[in-house]
Amino acid sequence: GQQVMQIPQYQHVQEGEDFTTYCNSSTTLSNIQWYKQRPGGHPVFLIQLVKSGEVKKQKRLTFQFGEAKKNSSLHITATQTTDVGTYFCAGPRNAGNMLTFGGGTRLMVKP
Amino acid sequence: DADVTQTPRNRITKTGKRIMLECSQTKGHDRMYWYRQDPGLGLQLIYYSFDVKDINKGEISDGYSVSRQAQAKFSLSLESAIPNQTALYFCATSDQRYVTGYTFGSGTRLTVV
Repeated sequence: GQQVMQIPQYQHVQEGEDFTTYCNSSTTLSNIQWYKQRPGGHPVFLIQLVKSGEVKKQKRLTFQFGEAKKNSSLHITATQTTDVGTYFCAGPRNAGNMLTFGGGTRLMVKP
Repeated sequence: DADVTQTPRNRITKTGKRIMLECSQTKGHDRMYWYRQDPGLGLQLIYYSFDVKDINKGEISDGYSVSRQAQAKFSLSLESAIPNQTALYFCATSDQRYVTGYTFGSGTRLTVV
């Protein structure tokens, strides 16, 4: 079945450093979504990418969808302690559009 | 009030007991989902429902059952709880095109002893 893999699993950064997490699918995706889960919290929707090669920005966060629509990345510029949490990518698993979630990347930021 | 409400927030139960986790939503979404999250792992789909009369198994449905009592309510039952069902359980909702993503509840932390 469809698999969505994320790397790295964990990332420690110093506050102010950049951070990137990568998402790879075993199949072509019609779209990809990104979620953030704060420690002790629940996943919160950040963004959806639909078009091949699409790039979207939200303040310090840059999201990219690969040309082949099989991979995606989330880049955070100049991390802050408020960025701490686990970032998940998710893609639709079949025609029913249920999401398959990646394993997530846990970001830890040292002040 | 939260868009998606899960009860209870925390529960400790004994092996072999039946337990029900409840989820209600005010989003007006047709689609509802139950996910399980284990420490350090992603979200695994247990069951999903596209409307009141629709119930579908997800990746890890064994040992679980669900009931969609109304558009706004979707409950998850563990008929005979076992320790490896100890996990964080999330209910989520979406519209048909989920262009605004899934909306998750705050989760139920279940411990089976």
